[in-house]
Amino acid sequence: SQQGEEDPQALSIQEGENATMNCSYKTSINNLQWYRQNSGRGLVHLILIRSNEREKHSGRLRVTLDTSKKSSSLLITASRAADTASYFCATDAWASGGGADGLTFGKGTHLIIQP
Amino acid sequence: KAGVTQTPRYLIKTRGQQVTLSCSPISGHRSVSWYQQTPGQGLQFLFEYFSETQRNKGNFPGRFSGRQFSNSRSEMNVSTLELGDSALYLCASSLGNRGVQDEQYFGPGTRLTVT
Repeated sequence: SQQGEEDPQALSIQEGENATMNCSYKTSINNLQWYRQNSGRGLVHLILIRSNEREKHSGRLRVTLDTSKKSSSLLITASRAADTASYFCATDAWASGGGADGLTFGKGTHLIIQP
Repeated sequence: KAGVTQTPRYLIKTRGQQVTLSCSPISGHRSVSWYQQTPGQGLQFLFEYFSETQRNKGNFPGRFSGRQFSNSRSEMNVSTLELGDSALYLCASSLGNRGVQDEQYFGPGTRLTVT
């Protein structure tokens, strides 16, 4: 079953605008990661935020994490045509047998940047 | 450094056959995970290997199996193929022993079509 659910499913904005995507999850997590996937470069890691962190920045990306609401958001500022892609959040949690369970991905947000 | 490589890139098989997919992680990476991606179910975790040991397994039938060799290269096998096994199979590697809790580097995937 999907742990993370992204919202919206699709988003179309003009180049230069900011894009915000949200992710909700169901169980307690160790970390939350965001990935981007497009046909040219496959699935690429963007940013990892640990459960004890609330905000993280990387270039034009800003990620927030609210563990009380079990939600995260990804903000892309000053969007570019090259940002057109699908964006996924992925969580990991402790498996009942010990060790971390596999990454659980949401269905993704498809972002289109209009030139 | 070379990225994660997967072979073959495309594969067409018939129902009932079996298939073996190969993944070479980034040099020095010891954790290898496998994921199945379909339009309906999205990205789903299959299993993770570290130092030739399967650490975690997702919710897939026993027809799906894998192994890891001493050089960290990994293979996954699907026996008695079904139409529903048609998917993009992604392999990911990470550097440390935290496995999926660390940044994952994904390969380009193997597109399997079962007819």
